[in-house]
Amino acid sequence: QVQLVESGGGVVQPGGSLRLSCAASGFTFSSYGMHWVRQAPGKGLEWVAFIRYDGSNKYYADSVKGRFTISRDNSKNTLYLQMNSLRAEDTAVYYCAKDQATVTTYLGSDYWGQGTLVTVSS
Amino acid sequence: DIQMTQSPSSVSASVGDRVTITCRASQGISSWLAWYQQKPGKAPKLLIYAASSLQSGVPSRFSGSGSGTDFTLTISSLQPEDFATYYCQQANSFPQTFGQGTKVEIK
Repeated sequence: QVQLVESGGGVVQPGGSLRLSCAASGFTFSSYGMHWVRQAPGKGLEWVAFIRYDGSNKYYADSVKGRFTISRDNSKNTLYLQMNSLRAEDTAVYYCAKDQATVTTYLGSDYWGQGTLVTVSS
Repeated sequence: DIQMTQSPSSVSASVGDRVTITCRASQGISSWLAWYQQKPGKAPKLLIYAASSLQSGVPSRFSGSGSGTDFTLTISSLQPEDFATYYCQQANSFPQTFGQGTKVEIK
């Protein structure tokens, strides 16, 4: 069955860096676009970033552009989110999510990880 | 960026009630809208994609409609397991954006 398992969350000081990982299994990882979505404590969902199946295109929310980098290693079935210059407002649970379809990102995300908590605090 | 506005922000309802949640996009998004259900401490679950297509395994009491800028999610007969927060998301263009959520509470 499809599994997405995030790791790498923790407590980091403002201005610091963290790299999140999302290990995928149960599907052909190299065929699907992947997203990162976050949720601040007690708040709604915020889309963060997307990478196409082959890494050829990447998109970011304005709130993280220039600070976060999404990447993937299809040989390791793993998605990454490199987060630099972290701010208090980046504190959130970060989810990775899989596109439902291989050829388009229009059809929503059908599988999500359990999330990993990132806390930015001094 | 496309802004997604949901209403209401919360609704109190009883088991068996019909519940309707609306989502409005700041510009046309064709039918590229998804609805998710989220329970506390859990990841979101895809309910509806392409505005009106029911995700596999989702009960038929959930339905979606709309196109362009105005969309609705309807729960025809609310069940105890449906008390949760619901989000719409536009998948038409990047950055993909979510509505602010609608919490369905027990009356």
